Amino acid sequence: DAGVTQSPTHLIKTRGQQVTLRCSPISGHKSVSWYQQVLGQGPQFIFQYYEKEERGRGNFPDRFSARQFPNYSSELNVNALLLGDSALYLCASSLLLAGASYEQYFGPGTRLTVT
Amino acid sequence: EDQVTQSPEALRLQEGESSSLNCSYTVSGLRGLFWYRQDPGKGPEFLFTLYSAGEEKEKERLKATLTKKESFLHITAPKPEDSATYLCVLMTTDSWGKLQFGAGTQVVVTP
Repeated sequence: DAGVTQSPTHLIKTRGQQVTLRCSPISGHKSVSWYQQVLGQGPQFIFQYYEKEERGRGNFPDRFSARQFPNYSSELNVNALLLGDSALYLCASSLLLAGASYEQYFGPGTRLTVT
Repeated sequence: EDQVTQSPEALRLQEGESSSLNCSYTVSGLRGLFWYRQDPGKGPEFLFTLYSAGEEKEKERLKATLTKKESFLHITAPKPEDSATYLCVLMTTDSWGKLQFGAGTQVVVTP
């Protein structure tokens, strides 16, 4: 079975631009979460979506937004990019929001560089 | 405030030299504690889930244990391919789906 996929793999943007990152969850998984990982640190939670609804949001500015589509894939949008937005953006999917299976499975990430 | 702290920050081992990584935590309510390994530039790879104190999980040379305040990841007779950053991760009872990551322990195993 295919794991979590993310696109693009790498991206270079200029300050002030906007970027859209994409994620496809594992087949059958209905929950998608987004994380930002700055070099040398653990991932930081940005959003969680379940059944196309936002179920959680981390401490990120309104420049960050996301959505989940009927096929459970997801997009993360970041507007007005700052140099500090340079990071590895990780998408994770899980089978259930609540219940016995809480494990989240991560994709390979999108490396965003803002110049 | 919920906190997760990992130690040591870095660990250098000779091949075959067993060791343990520590994860201490303070949370209002623990829904689950996870261990992941992460290779440079890649997404974290799921290893274990622990739900309650006293629980243990094993996979090849790795064994994870959980108490009410700590979790340990034991690496027995490590090989160079065990070199990675190991992340301790919490999910609390008041944060559905939000994983809280420790800073990680970077493990290097030399031949």
